Amino acid sequence: ELVLTQSPATLSLSPGERATLSCRASQSFSSRYLVWYLQKPGQAPRLLIYGTSTRATGIPDRFTGSGSGTDFTLTISRLEPEDFAVYYCQHYPGSPPYTFGQGTKLEIK
Amino acid sequence: QVQLVESGGGVVQPGKSLTLSCEASGFTFSNYGMHWVRQSPGKGLEWVAVIWYAEDNKSYADSVKGRFTISRDNSKNTLYLQMNTLRVEDTAVYFCSRGLLDSMDVWGQGTTVTVSS
Repeated sequence: ELVLTQSPATLSLSPGERATLSCRASQSFSSRYLVWYLQKPGQAPRLLIYGTSTRATGIPDRFTGSGSGTDFTLTISRLEPEDFAVYYCQHYPGSPPYTFGQGTKLEIK
Repeated sequence: QVQLVESGGGVVQPGKSLTLSCEASGFTFSNYGMHWVRQSPGKGLEWVAVIWYAEDNKSYADSVKGRFTISRDNSKNTLYLQMNTLRVEDTAVYFCSRGLLDSMDVWGQGTTVTVSS
């Protein structure tokens, strides 16, 4: 069973700073299958990035996804106030299960 | 406007049943796979079930296999999740989401299920 471990659990930064979120898998998989979502309190998750590095429609270019094998990273170049949320990575392969990481909470310092 | 709206949540006793619905609009529902994903209070996301274009192509998380049934009615643009033999640990917000080949790109706002005696 594949496990995704996100770190850190909580990241405290200020607007304008750079954020780096990690997602590490217990076994290697294709970069086609790594997805990132963000979720704000009381809201549904929102698709951010799929295929490790392709931004979803309407996602600004300050969000960058990278990685391969077992190590994947979401970088937010200059934090805006609306970026403070919980971020989840997901393994979304051709067949289930579709495993989520436990999330990284990005909070305002 | 692409939209998913869940309904049917509520408070139910352990061992009882509940059926959730997810009504889709703004896109050709029959062309897409659909997922249920849940989130326990204060916890992360857990994939529950998927149904693809062919209504007999379904899969479930081990935690709900044999107890939950996912189905769809393309004539009504509606996705369902029948939940039987509910457990306290099934308490969660249940989201439906549209399934692409590479991601879940549209999500509903969720419906809350509380299993408690």
